[in-house]
This record gives sequence, structure tokens and C-alpha cells, in this order.
Amino acid sequence: RKEVEQDPGPFNVPEGATVAFNCTYSNSASQSFFWYRQDCRKEPKLLMSVYSSGNEDGRFTAQLNRASQYISLLIRDSKLSDSATYLCVVNGFWHGQKLVFGTGTRLLVSP
Amino acid sequence: NAGVTQTPKFQVLKTGQSMTLQCAQDMNHEYMSWYRQDPGMGLRLIHYSVGAGITDQGEVPNGYNVSRSTTEDFPLRLLSAAPSQTSVYFCASRTGPLGNEKLFFGSGTQLSVL
Repeated sequence: RKEVEQDPGPFNVPEGATVAFNCTYSNSASQSFFWYRQDCRKEPKLLMSVYSSGNEDGRFTAQLNRASQYISLLIRDSKLSDSATYLCVVNGFWHGQKLVFGTGTRLLVSP
Repeated sequence: NAGVTQTPKFQVLKTGQSMTLQCAQDMNHEYMSWYRQDPGMGLRLIHYSVGAGITDQGEVPNGYNVSRSTTEDFPLRLLSAAPSQTSVYFCASRTGPLGNEKLFFGSGTQLSVL
């Protein structure tokens, strides 16, 4: 089983739609969780950290479910500019605190 | 601030050639790292450093060397390039090894080994 798993997609949604991605992680000792965004042929950039109580940043909401070992990202009112690959990232203490990246979920928002 | 500067952007090598990918950051970050990204796989850690003079291996270190003589610079050396090293390489830095510190990436190097 991969340490961090994501549905690769692509998720094709129209503008204005709500879309959600899930990511599962294998090690229950994981401490920190993040969503990164990567545009085509560009470097990843931090979208948001994921806190235990859940957190929101504008149209983006991140949730953590420790019992089921998954994190989620909800995007409301999708914009064309949201088209990108979303990477789930876990800080793995079992790796000496190195970050473990998922393969990413690709989102395509169409007019 | 320039952030993380990574060069070159593109490189083509022949099997057996050596080269160095340069990485520099001007944010005084202690933690720097090198990743490779291949289709269908997440970014994989090659080597990392928690400060000047300290380096350690990541998940896929074979065929690569690093050194950290200054806080700012963290070059990645390919000793004898192989086709399996064809990939996109990213350098990254952050303030420390723990917690929710943001990871800053360079713009990437697309490397092809023929």
C-alpha cells in the first residue's frame, strides 16, 4: 500500500461547481498534513495546511479524519483558474520528518 | 527576495556524463532538499540537508551526490548519468524540519538522459 494515495482523476467539472478530493495515508503516526497545488510544468506551491479541527481559506476547505486516516479538500464555486493538479502531502515522522507526496489529483474546470 | 533559484531549466545529457544542478535560496532557510518527479509517481526525496555541513539521504539517493558548504547553496551532482535519471528535478527549502512550515520550491529542471 502506498504511504499516501490519491485518485489521479482527472476531475472534469463546470465553472461554479463544487468538487472534493480525498487522500488517504497509511501511517497513523503522521502529524502534519498539507495540500499543494501544481500547475502544468510548474513547481508545487502550498495551497493550505490541514488542521485537526478543519480549516477554510476562501473557497477552499480542508478536513482531517484521523480515525479513517484521510484528508480532504473541498473547492466551492470552481473557477477556470483552479485547473491544476492538487498534491496531498504528509509529514512522515517515520521518515525522519520528511514530507511524503501523493501523486496528485488533476482538476479540469471548463466554461 | 528571489526565493529558491534553480538552474538550469532544461538539460540533455548523454549516458555517462556528469553534471551539477544548482540551487540557491536567499531566505536563510536551514532545511533544503532535492526531489525528483516522474509520471505517475509523487515527488520523491533524493537528498536533504538540515544545515550547512549536514546532509542525509532520502528515498532515492543512488547516483546523486550533494554538499552544503553554505546555508544558501545546495547543489545536486549526477555522477554518471543514466536514462533512469530522466526526470524533473525540484529543489526546495523551508525554515525547519518540523511542523507546518511552508516548503518553497525552485522552478524545476527538466533533465533528459539519452
